[in-house]
Amino acid sequence: EIVLTQSPGTLSLSPGERATLSCRASQSVSSSYLAWYQQKPGQAPRLLIYGASSRATGIPDRFSGSGSGTDFTLTISRLEPEDFAVYYCQHYGSSPLTFGGGAKVEIK
Amino acid sequence: EVQVLESGGGLVKPGESLRLSCAASGLTFSSHAMSWVRQPPGKGLEWVSSISGSGGGTYYPDSEKGRFTISRDNSKNTLYLQMNSLRAEDTAVYYCAKGGRGSSGWYPFDYWGQGTLVTVSS
Repeated sequence: EIVLTQSPGTLSLSPGERATLSCRASQSVSSSYLAWYQQKPGQAPRLLIYGASSRATGIPDRFSGSGSGTDFTLTISRLEPEDFAVYYCQHYGSSPLTFGGGAKVEIK
Repeated sequence: EVQVLESGGGLVKPGESLRLSCAASGLTFSSHAMSWVRQPPGKGLEWVSSISGSGGGTYYPDSEKGRFTISRDNSKNTLYLQMNSLRAEDTAVYYCAKGGRGSSGWYPFDYWGQGTLVTVSS
């Protein structure tokens, strides 16, 4: 089983700042089957990034993903008020699929 | 527009069974893998099960094998999750999502329902 560790657990930033979230895998993620999701309170998760760096349909270009192997990053270039939420990384290349523990981006 | 809508959640006692349903629209249902993901109150996301578009392939984490069964009826555009011998730790919001193991590989979860709450308590 691939264990995903997200850091930091909480990021306190102001609107307009840059957010950098890390996701580290316990073993190499094949073919970059790494996704990022955003979840707001009371809502379902929303796919942001798949294949480590491809934006999902309708996702603004301030969201970008990078990385390979065991180290992946989600970057939000300039935080908008609606970006304050919890973010999860996910490995989906083989069973069992696993999620990271989540990282909260909160308003400073 | 793709939409998925879960139903069937509720309050059950430990040891009881429950079947969740997920009705999908706006897509060629039989062409897409579907999955269940759950989220205990105040906690993170946990993959529960996936099924291929044809229904011929089913996938579970080792922790759920034997108690949970995923299935689908492509004639009704509906996904199911049969949950038996429920425990308190199964209490969670259960989400239906498009994605998982398809005919050409694994896919991310690009559409999600709003979830249905399952509470296991005596």
